[in-house]
Amino acid sequence: QKEVEQNSGPLSVPEGAIASLNCTYSDRGSQSFFWYRQYSGKSPELIMFIYSNGDKEDGRFTAQLNKASQYVSLLIRDSQPSDSATYLCAVSGMDSSYKLIFGSGTRLLVRP
Amino acid sequence: DVKVTQSSRYLVKRTGEKVFLECVQDMDHENMFWYRQDPGLGLRLIYFSYDVKMKEKGDIPEGYSVSREKKERFSLILESASTNQTSMYLCASSYQTSADTQYFGPGTRLTVL
Repeated sequence: QKEVEQNSGPLSVPEGAIASLNCTYSDRGSQSFFWYRQYSGKSPELIMFIYSNGDKEDGRFTAQLNKASQYVSLLIRDSQPSDSATYLCAVSGMDSSYKLIFGSGTRLLVRP
Repeated sequence: DVKVTQSSRYLVKRTGEKVFLECVQDMDHENMFWYRQDPGLGLRLIYFSYDVKMKEKGDIPEGYSVSREKKERFSLILESASTNQTSMYLCASSYQTSADTQYFGPGTRLTVL
């Protein structure tokens, strides 16, 4: 079983819709959770991080964390074609205080 | 603004060559990381360093070594490049713990012929 799992997609949504990206993780002791966006041919860039159960909002983005169910999600409201990218979920590992475990990413396609 | 730079964006080498990939960060971060990214396999950690001259193996260290002589610089070395090391190599740095954001460099696309 992979430590951090994401549906590879592509997830296709129309412009203006809400895109919902999900991530599950296996290590119950994980404390820190990150969402990165990666455009084709570019390096990952941080969108949001979340440490506590519940929702965290930043502009059009909302991260949701449920530690009991071991999932973290990213909602993108009013999706734009420029949001089309691969979204990587990253989770802190218990075996090291420095490392993050990355999922393989979900490709999002926003149709104009 | 955090800045992580990598020495080359594109690199072409021949099988058996020794390859050096350099990474520099300007934010006084303690931790530095080398990943490779391949289609369908995601980001895989090769090595990381949590202090000068300190290093730990990641998930796929075979065929690679690293050097961190100064805090701001972390080098990845392919002692004898092979075709299966053709990949995108990404360097990242973070302040101290896994609760701190990792910032990525632009990546080096290495092709080994």
